[in-house]
Amino acid sequence: EVQLVQSGAEVKKPGESLKISCKGSGYSFTSYWIGWVRQMPGKGLEWMGIIYPGDSDTRYSPSFQGQVTISADKSISTAYLQWSSLKASDTAMYYCARTFERRSPRNVYYFDYWGQGTLVTVSS
Amino acid sequence: SYVLTQPPSVSVAPGQTARITCGGNNIGSKSVHWYQQKPGQAPVLVVYDDSDRPSGIPERFSGSNSGNTATLTISRVEAGDEADYYCQVWDSSSDPLYVFGTGTKVTVL
Repeated sequence: EVQLVQSGAEVKKPGESLKISCKGSGYSFTSYWIGWVRQMPGKGLEWMGIIYPGDSDTRYSPSFQGQVTISADKSISTAYLQWSSLKASDTAMYYCARTFERRSPRNVYYFDYWGQGTLVTVSS
Repeated sequence: SYVLTQPPSVSVAPGQTARITCGGNNIGSKSVHWYQQKPGQAPVLVVYDDSDRPSGIPERFSGSNSGNTATLTISRVEAGDEADYYCQVWDSSSDPLYVFGTGTKVTVL
C-alpha cells in the first residue's frame, strides 16, 4: 500500500527556520517525483515545487523559488520542505503528493497519493 | 502562466447531477485531473486524464474535456459528495508546471 506520512503540526515564530518531512512507503521512492502543495486557510491549492528523489532534480514554482527549499534523502525515503526564515504569511497546510507521470501518447502528470498534511502556524 | 477558472460554488439536490466546469485556454489539448477535498482532509484524486477513474472511485464520477472547458460530472449526487473540487493540468510551456483550478464548493441541498 502506497503511503506518504508527513511530520506533525508546527508552531513557530517569525524569523525562525523549519523543516518538515514526508516519508514514502509501499513503492519505489526513487522512481516517482514528489510534489509539495500549499493551502492557506480557507484558500485553494497551490503547487510549490517538485523533486525526483532518484537524482534530486528539483523544480520550483516561480511564486516559491527562493522562498523555500525542497530536498530528499533517498536512503530513508523522505522528502523535505524547509524555510530559513518564516513569515506570518507562511501559515498554511502543506501537503506532499506523489506524482504519476506518463509521456506517451501524451503528457499526463497528476498527484495520485497525498500525505495527510502538515499544519504550519507562524505567529509572534 | 496558465490559468484555470472554476465557478466558486455549485448547489445540487440529492439524486440529481452536478456539473463542475474548469475553463482554460485550449484546455482540450491538455490532460485534466480532478481532486475532491472534504473539510479537514487531504485531496483525493477522483478523475485523471480527462475521464479515467482511479480504483475505488464510484462510476458516478465522470469527466470530459473539449475546447476551452473541462467538466467533472457527479451523477446521483449523495450527501457524502459535498466537498471542494479542484481541476489540475500540467503544462511544459507554463511556469508553474502544475496548475490547479480555483476550486468549486459543491453543496448538497
